[in-house]
Amino acid sequence: EDQVTQSPEALRLQEGESSSLNCSYTVSGLRGLFWYRQDPGKGPEFLFTLYSAGEEKEKERLKATLTKKESFLHITAPKPEDSATYLCAVHQAGTALIFGKGTTLSVSS
Amino acid sequence: SAVISQKPSRDICQRGTSLTIQCQVDSQVTMMFWYRQQPGQSLTLIATANQGSEATYESGFVIDKFPISRPNLTFSTLTVSNMSPEDSSIYLCSVGGQGAWTGELFFGEGSRLTVL
Repeated sequence: EDQVTQSPEALRLQEGESSSLNCSYTVSGLRGLFWYRQDPGKGPEFLFTLYSAGEEKEKERLKATLTKKESFLHITAPKPEDSATYLCAVHQAGTALIFGKGTTLSVSS
Repeated sequence: SAVISQKPSRDICQRGTSLTIQCQVDSQVTMMFWYRQQPGQSLTLIATANQGSEATYESGFVIDKFPISRPNLTFSTLTVSNMSPEDSSIYLCSVGGQGAWTGELFFGEGSRLTVL
């Protein structure tokens, strides 16, 4: 069965302590991998799309990378305002997005 | 990206009743979807809302329970029928961008439903 798995489920960091979130997938025919940020009580906010292995995208303190089996969301020198749940989703031909359960990030000052 | 408005943002309902959630987009979009997000779970696709025709439902979701309308390219409704406590969840409207869809989705704020 196609699957999207995110780890860890929760991550606590000190401000400035860099780390990475993982998204592994087993879908066939990947057409795109997406990262979203979701704040409590709000809908997911689009961050990045990655289409092929080796691709990288950056936005402020976030950098997303993609291999043939997984994606990483690297957070460099995080700030408290980066606290949120980060969702990974994959798009395969003929289907809508398949989401992982997310990683809840807490950054304390 | 499109601006998506959902109403109601939250509601508390009694078992056995039905609730209709509205989704209004500020621009015409081709792809529109309804997702459910239960506590601690992934976003789960309920159905694709097709303009002018019946929605396409995912496995485990049926039209009698979740009727969907999409009269035009900017508006859709999702009804949760004959509700039970298991239907307590966040329901999210999402749309693809304008033009050919490349998989990106934009979400509304969601409608948090509690069934007593």
